[in-house]
Amino acid sequence: GAGVSQSPSNKVTEKGKDVELRCDPISGHTALYWYRQSLGQGLEFLIYFQGNSAPDKSGLPSDRFSAERTGGSVSTLTIQRTQQEDSAVYLCASRYGGGPDTQYFGPGTRLTVL
Amino acid sequence: GNSVTQMEGPVTLSEEAFLTINCTYTATGYPSLFWYVQYPGEGLQLLLKATKADDKGSNKGFEATYRKETTSFHLEKGSVQVSDSAVYFCALCTPAAGNKLTFGGGTRVLVKP
Repeated sequence: GAGVSQSPSNKVTEKGKDVELRCDPISGHTALYWYRQSLGQGLEFLIYFQGNSAPDKSGLPSDRFSAERTGGSVSTLTIQRTQQEDSAVYLCASRYGGGPDTQYFGPGTRLTVL
Repeated sequence: GNSVTQMEGPVTLSEEAFLTINCTYTATGYPSLFWYVQYPGEGLQLLLKATKADDKGSNKGFEATYRKETTSFHLEKGSVQVSDSAVYFCALCTPAAGNKLTFGGGTRVLVKP
């Protein structure tokens, strides 16, 4: 079946602009995660959605970052007033259940802030 | 909180050599442990996992055993191939932390013919 998809694959933006990154999880997966992969920070958790529960936003680095998940499926990560330190690969992952099942990762969106 | 420490790379070795990548962890609660691999130009994919003590995960000739007494999950392969060149990430998750993954810093492995 189809895996996790993300769009765009690459995004170049100017400092101060807003960007939206999209994630389509595997159909039927109830859990969705966003992570960020950067040279300086490695792989770090950003936000987690599980079913209809309130999201775990504990990893968001600032209030410029927000995410939503509509209809329990597609998710959008929004970064407002982008800064150069936001440059990274943003990864989305989905998981079937609420336990320690495997998370399946999308190919990522490479964000470059000039 | 949860944390994962893995050996820094790069690790360079010849084809058919033995590979070990050390991984140790600290966790609140009882973690599940994972090794993810990122091949050049590709996304993260699960290599193997173990969900309880003394479990051995294995895949593609790689193995790792969940050692609760030493809080370790070292990755091993007896005879590497050039195609094993990649970045390897050790990771854990715990129910108390929403099962979000905490990753080690990654170890780049380069296998030369």
